[in-house]
Amino acid sequence: GDSVTQMEGPVTLSEEAFLTINCTYTATGYPSLFWYVQYPGEGLQLLLKATKADDKGSNKGFEATYRKETTSFHLEKGSVQVSDSAVYFCALSRVAGGGNKLTFGTGTQLKVEL
Amino acid sequence: NAGVTQTPKFQVLKTGQSMTLQCAQDMNHEYMSWYRQDPGMGLRLIHYSVGAGITDQGEVPNGYNVSRSTTEDFPLRLLSAAPSQTSVYFCASSSGQGLETQYFGPGTRLLVL
Repeated sequence: GDSVTQMEGPVTLSEEAFLTINCTYTATGYPSLFWYVQYPGEGLQLLLKATKADDKGSNKGFEATYRKETTSFHLEKGSVQVSDSAVYFCALSRVAGGGNKLTFGTGTQLKVEL
Repeated sequence: NAGVTQTPKFQVLKTGQSMTLQCAQDMNHEYMSWYRQDPGMGLRLIHYSVGAGITDQGEVPNGYNVSRSTTEDFPLRLLSAAPSQTSVYFCASSSGQGLETQYFGPGTRLLVL
């Protein structure tokens, strides 16, 4: 079945550091790929998505490229801020039964310090 | 739009008690789903619905019931709570026709003693 593997956290960075959170997936066919972010005490929010190979999703300075050859969707940001501290979830989605089913990774906590 | 709303925010139950977690959305979305979030395990799909009157099981459905009598509401019922159901529960919705973004509620934190 489908699965998503992402790097364990917590990841602790200084403000303005470069961020990479690795995500790889196992799935048949051509799923869509997502990054969701969860700020403390809140629900998940979509950060970015990519629906086909070589697509790049971007939002709020974050980027991720759908690499089918390596089955990866790594999240990157050039300069993190304290306000980026949150838990980041990689997920894949496929259409099933009339809706889309999300399969999530376990989440990576990011802590950004001054 | 309020988006996806969930009540209560926090609940403590004793083993064997029953309760209903409420979920509502005002975006006229056909697709709604329930997830549970446990440490180190990400989010796992419990049940989902592709429209009023239609529900199906997800990855971890045991111990939970759902129904969908209206487009707006998708309650999750625990008939006899167990400590293993201690978790954070999230409801989500999407327009459902393909791979549209799912919108999540703020979550309900449930503790079963």
